[in-house]
Formats: sequence, structure tokens, C-alpha cells
Amino acid sequence: DQQVKQNSPSLSVQEGRISILNCDYTNSMFDYFLWYKKYPAEGPTFLISISSIKDKNEDGRFTVFLNKSAKHLSLHIVPSQPGDSAVYFCAASKGEKLTFGTGTRLTIIP
Amino acid sequence: DTGVSQDPRHKITKRGQNVTFRCDPISEHNRLYWYRQTLGQGPEFLTYFQNEAQLEKSRLLSDRFSAERPKGSFSTLEIQRTEQGDSAMYLCASSSSGQETQYFGPGTRLLVL
Repeated sequence: DQQVKQNSPSLSVQEGRISILNCDYTNSMFDYFLWYKKYPAEGPTFLISISSIKDKNEDGRFTVFLNKSAKHLSLHIVPSQPGDSAVYFCAASKGEKLTFGTGTRLTIIP
Repeated sequence: DTGVSQDPRHKITKRGQNVTFRCDPISEHNRLYWYRQTLGQGPEFLTYFQNEAQLEKSRLLSDRFSAERPKGSFSTLEIQRTEQGDSAMYLCASSSSGQETQYFGPGTRLLVL
């Protein structure tokens, strides 16, 4: 049972444009959501998070939006830079355990 | 470097051998987590410790797997009688009580031949 889903395995975006990565979840008990970025042969690096009591959190070029009624969250990166090319994982927590999606590979085209 | 560290970074072993991995968390973090990631999947939760107490274990953690955190600092994950299906990246993360964000180490990539 995949409780956290990232339905787009890959995404290509022109440098300087906005990248939008999407994530859906099924468990309404999740109370915290996080985005991680992962380069090959490295561990996931924390990017940004949002509590279930909020609908938006912004940190520099990164903004996460949460739509609880739709059980959907998205990560916006603007402007996109070549160094943003990586695999992005959405994660949700209930208690101590993080449940991850399968990731979206973002490629920024110069 | 004060991040999470893991050792070794890579391990190749033959089926049936035992392997042990080590994780050193961020020094002020009292919570430590182990995850496993296979190709094309996101990390999957295995177990977590608060200080030296192991508080939760996943169904994924069969009886061939054991994790310890004897002094509430570093942790070890041992896999006995390895199988080819154990081939994966084993990730360690840490956090502080009341902090939702988990910080990950670089992982140990295990290949069982």
C-alpha cells in the first residue's frame, strides 16, 4: 500500500523557469511533510518541510504548498538552477516514522 | 563535519555471510533511525531508537536483522546470513526530540553476491 505517491518519475525544466514537483498521500493522519533532495551515491538532503496546520512554507527559492482536502502537496523551485538537478523525494510523518514517495528525477536544462 | 556519518560506504559480501554497519548521528541528537532504499524506491523505515531504547521496528526487519545503540550514541545494524535480496542502500538518520526533521547520512551500499 503506497501511502505517499509521486506519480511523475521524471521532469525536465529550462534553467530559470519554475519547477513544480507533486506528491499525493492517502493517510489523513500524517501531520508533517518534508521534501528531500538526493544526488547519486549520497544520502537524502533535507530541503523544506510543512506542518499539517499550515498551507504554505517558503524558504528562499523553495516553496511547499499543502492542500489537505486534496491530500496533495507540491514543491515549487523558482528560478530553477542546474544544481537543482537531482531526485526529489516527498516524505510524510506520523509519529517518528517517515514514509517516502518513490521520487521524481528533476533535470534542469541549461 | 558534524553531520551523520556511516561506515563503511560500500560493502560487497557473499550470500550467507554476516555484515555490520555503523552509524554516528549528529552529536546532540537523541533519536536515530535506520532506513533501507532499493533501486527505484524511496527509503523504507526499518527501526528507530530514542537514546539507547529501540522503540519501533518495521515488519521489514526480519529476525536476521538486529540493531543496537548501546550507549545512546552510535548505532550498529547487523545482517546475519545475508541474502541477495538484502542488496540495498542502508541509510541512517538522526533528529532531536520534538524536532520533526530527520537528517540523513551518506548511506552504506550493500551488494550481496
